[in-house]
Amino acid sequence: AQKITQTQPGMFVQEKEAVTLDCTYDTSDQSYGLFWYKQPSSGEMIFLIYQGSYDEQNATEGRYSLNFQKARKSANLVISASQLGDSAMYFCAMREGRRDYKLSFGAGTTVTVRA
Amino acid sequence: DVKVTQSSRYLVKRTGEKVFLECVQDMDHENMFWYRQDPGLGLRLIYFSYDVKMKEKGDIPEGYSVSREKKERFSLILESASTNQTSMYLCASSPAGVNNYGYTFGSGTRLTVV
Repeated sequence: AQKITQTQPGMFVQEKEAVTLDCTYDTSDQSYGLFWYKQPSSGEMIFLIYQGSYDEQNATEGRYSLNFQKARKSANLVISASQLGDSAMYFCAMREGRRDYKLSFGAGTTVTVRA
Repeated sequence: DVKVTQSSRYLVKRTGEKVFLECVQDMDHENMFWYRQDPGLGLRLIYFSYDVKMKEKGDIPEGYSVSREKKERFSLILESASTNQTSMYLCASSPAGVNNYGYTFGSGTRLTVV
């Protein structure tokens, strides 16, 4: 079974608007971590934001925020005030347990920001 | 300021060739990983290593092997390349213990097998 599901293959967003990228996850562990990465066309993976399963507050990093809904097993990424440089592929990932360092990734969502 | 270096950005190999993809990190990380990235499938773990000479299979190890003789270097080997191994290969590393950023990635190697 897929551990990370990203249901939006591609999205268009107008510059300066906000966009929400969906991510749902599946785990039976109580302790886990959720990550979002950005991959521009150049190919490198850039870490954006992290949410631990025990964190009570939603994570925020500048224009990025993570809408963490634990009961729904949802960890959506919100990008506010979109910029042309935000055009990229975005991956949601999960680490399960406290000792397993492997990450499971979703299929990714391509975001295109229009001027 | 490059921290995880993959030896080739683009590679074209013939079917049946033995292919080596090299990855070097300069952060003294214990863990190293090889993923392949395919459209619609995201990143899938091939192999990982948590210590020198230690390795574990990931989700799709068939057709691949790895070598980690030194802490900083993790090699992915395609014993006999096939066209279905045409893909983007990403190397990553992380320190021992849980962290809040996941991995540091290399820039990727786009391999085409013809």
